[in-house]
Amino acid sequence: GAGVSQSPSNKVTEKGKDVELRCDPISGHTALYWYRQSLGQGLEFLIYFQGNSAPDKSGLPSDRFSAERTGGSVSTLTIQRTQQEDSAVYLCASSPSGAGHRGETQYFGPGTRLLVL
Amino acid sequence: AQTVTQSQPEMSVQEAETVTLSCTYDTSENNYYLFWYKQPPSRQMILVIRQEAYKQQNATENRFSVNFQKAAKSFSLKISDSQLGDTAMYFCAFRSNNAGNMLTFGGGTRLMVKP
Repeated sequence: GAGVSQSPSNKVTEKGKDVELRCDPISGHTALYWYRQSLGQGLEFLIYFQGNSAPDKSGLPSDRFSAERTGGSVSTLTIQRTQQEDSAVYLCASSPSGAGHRGETQYFGPGTRLLVL
Repeated sequence: AQTVTQSQPEMSVQEAETVTLSCTYDTSENNYYLFWYKQPPSRQMILVIRQEAYKQQNATENRFSVNFQKAAKSFSLKISDSQLGDTAMYFCAFRSNNAGNMLTFGGGTRLMVKP
């Protein structure tokens, strides 16, 4: 079946603009994660959604970052007033169950490469 | 908080040879999960292998195997019979069984398989 998809693939924006990044998880997956990968570095956790529970926002770096998940499926990560340090690849992942099955595989999308000029 | 360290930023290996990628981690927990993910140039992270900390037997998936040393908090990945398609970034990751919903990743090792 279809994997995790993300759009856009690449995004170039000017400093101070808002951007929205979209993630379509695998159908039926209840858990959804956002990570950020800065150039040449590992992945940094941003936010986690599990079903209808309140999201785990503990990884969001500032209040300029927010995310929502509508209908338990598609998620949008919004960055307001973008800064140059926000330039990175933003990766989305989904898994079937989430916290109840911590050893399960997280399936990743191809990411959105964001460049803030 | 858990930390994951990959001390080899770059590695290279000849095709058909064996290579071992290192990973160490720091945790006070007794039960957790460890993963190796591969990230080719396409950017899509792919799970290579998974280890449950309470299992003493090292995980194996075809040409990929791990050497899990719980007391030493070490989790190395061995790739046998390396193939050109193994060229990628490899990330070691930790997931708590008790708290936190995220994977904690190491900084990655860039592996180049040479013909």
